Amino acid sequence: GAVVSQHPSWVICKSGTSVKIECRSLDFQATTMFWYRQFPKQSLMLMATSNEGSKATYEQGVEKDKFLINHASLTLSTLTVTSAHPEDSSFYICSASLRTKGNFEQYFGPGTRLTVT
Amino acid sequence: RKEVEQDPGPFNVPEGATVAFNCTYSNSASQSFFWYRQDCRKEPKLLMSVYSSGNEDGRFTAQLNRASQYISLLIRDSKLSDSATYLCVAFSWGKLQFGSGTQVVVTP
Repeated sequence: GAVVSQHPSWVICKSGTSVKIECRSLDFQATTMFWYRQFPKQSLMLMATSNEGSKATYEQGVEKDKFLINHASLTLSTLTVTSAHPEDSSFYICSASLRTKGNFEQYFGPGTRLTVT
Repeated sequence: RKEVEQDPGPFNVPEGATVAFNCTYSNSASQSFFWYRQDCRKEPKLLMSVYSSGNEDGRFTAQLNRASQYISLLIRDSKLSDSATYLCVAFSWGKLQFGSGTQVVVTP
């Protein structure tokens, strides 16, 4: 159980284009999903918290107009990187929260490796 | 100052040996803690949850010291497959705060 999928797993795009990444919880409903970015040899940095049916909450320094998040259902959240630039090249990982026995755990998708040329 | 700090390593461990490492956290209000394992170019995978003073799962033992604000992870009888980066994570105010990870390399 607690499987999270991401699509695509990797993408190469040209500078100035937009890229959409999907995150799905396959066997559970997730009211909250999280989007992270990880640069090589660095820790995961939370970009935004996505709640179903409401606007995402962005972390300080993350441009909401550049990283569009839509949480359309309890099993799907999307991240769109608009007007991508080479510095947006990174490993983007989503996670979905699952409450078990009163405790809180997050399960991660396999990540999307974005390369902007 | 980072919210969660870890020694980046690498910790080079002979197969079969025991290795332990800590992480410290700065937010005393952190509610729970986790150890995740991350292999190269892959997503983090939950290794252990640490909700009270600590817990044990097979060869892995995690301990929490709230007074000193650190969490430790001990791996007994190391296997080659234990080679990975171990991420210490603190949960507070609805968010996970990740450390940069401790690299463990188990050698034959």
